[in-house]
Amino acid sequence: DTEVTQTPKHLVMGMTNKKSLKCEQHMGHRAMYWYKQKAKKPPELMFVYSYEKLSINESVPSRFSPECPNSSLLNLHLHALQPEDSALYLCASSQEPGQGYHGYTFGSGTRLTVV
Amino acid sequence: QKEVEQDPGPLSVPEGAIVSLNCTYSNSAFQYFMWYRQYSRKGPELLMYTYSSGNKEDGRFTAQVDKSSKYISLFIRDSQPSDSATYLCAMSLYGNNRLAFGKGNQVVVIP
Repeated sequence: DTEVTQTPKHLVMGMTNKKSLKCEQHMGHRAMYWYKQKAKKPPELMFVYSYEKLSINESVPSRFSPECPNSSLLNLHLHALQPEDSALYLCASSQEPGQGYHGYTFGSGTRLTVV
Repeated sequence: QKEVEQDPGPLSVPEGAIVSLNCTYSNSAFQYFMWYRQYSRKGPELLMYTYSSGNKEDGRFTAQVDKSSKYISLFIRDSQPSDSATYLCAMSLYGNNRLAFGKGNQVVVIP
């Protein structure tokens, strides 16, 4: 299995809703990432988990809450989002932390629309 | 000055032509250079990565890095309609989880 699987593929939520994005990989990768990508822009790093511990938070607002229950799973909990948070949310993984230079494996993303 | 500069295009070429893409960067400490391909509504897919200066070839794709000029290139030979996508350059320091991405360059190969 060489994939990163993200669910759901599409999500529409209201500004008062609570929802979660899920990411799963079974490649034995020990670093997992959340990225946000707006249309026609490059991905922007949000969070990095290394060996299931949060190692980087790129000053992301607290309405985004990451969680890594185990080495294969990564969640992103969403609460009280704003319309400007609408974007493609990408999960990625790499074999070891600090080896992003070998390239990440990205999932297909969750397209989030906040109404 | 942005860390990584990439002309977003779009770039339209006829099928069979050579596609030439490039990025410039400002941080001379970057050592690892990558090219990602992203189809519409999909996540980026790693095409190639190179370390330091030099060329790397993989099938129809060639990546070049010129560290002295802080300039990287991707060439696609015998382009196909299936190569139509956005191509993102990215670079990194050794032992660093952060990738610095270019804006991405949209390529359209016309049959």
